[in-house]
Amino acid sequence: GNSVTQMEGPVTLSEEAFLTINCTYTATGYPSLFWYVQYPGEGLQLLLKATKADDKGSNKGFEATYRKETTSFHLEKGSVQVSDSAVYFCAHSQQGAQKLVFGQGTRLTINP
Amino acid sequence: NAGVTQTPKFQVLKTGQSMTLQCAQDMNHEYMSWYRQDPGMGLRLIHYSVGAGITDQGEVPNGYNVSRSTTEDFPLRLLSAAPSQTSVYFCASRLGQGGFGYTFGSGTRLTVV
Repeated sequence: GNSVTQMEGPVTLSEEAFLTINCTYTATGYPSLFWYVQYPGEGLQLLLKATKADDKGSNKGFEATYRKETTSFHLEKGSVQVSDSAVYFCAHSQQGAQKLVFGQGTRLTINP
Repeated sequence: NAGVTQTPKFQVLKTGQSMTLQCAQDMNHEYMSWYRQDPGMGLRLIHYSVGAGITDQGEVPNGYNVSRSTTEDFPLRLLSAAPSQTSVYFCASRLGQGGFGYTFGSGTRLTVV
């Protein structure tokens, strides 16, 4: 079935470290891929997306590339800040489907 | 633009009580959904709507009802609250399918005692 598997957290890094949060998916065809971020006490916010193979989504210094051959959409940032501390969700949406399939979320904590 | 507005933000119910979680969006989005978020389980789809007058079940619909009489509003009704419905509920909307991302409300934290 359709699913999203994320790197287990929590992840703790120091400020200015390099960040990778792994995400792989199972789906038929060519789904759209998303990363959402949830800050404490808030709803989810769309961070970036990619809609076809080899597309790179980017926003606020975060990037993720749609890799069809490895069914992956890993989130990266070159230099994290304390303000990046949040829970990050990877998700996909099949063509013609209403449902977004979410991973379980990865809690990220950045220490000064 | 207010985006997606959910009320209330917090609610405590007794087992067996009923209530309605309100959701409104002002972006003229056709697609609206209700998700629940539980620790370690990500977000699970309860019900969704692809337009006024059209609703369908998601993966965890039992114990919940929805209706969509207008494009803007998509209330979620708990018929007879149970402790298993203790969760954080998110309403979300998007313009269309596929590559359109969802806009989420800020959530309703519900506790059933």
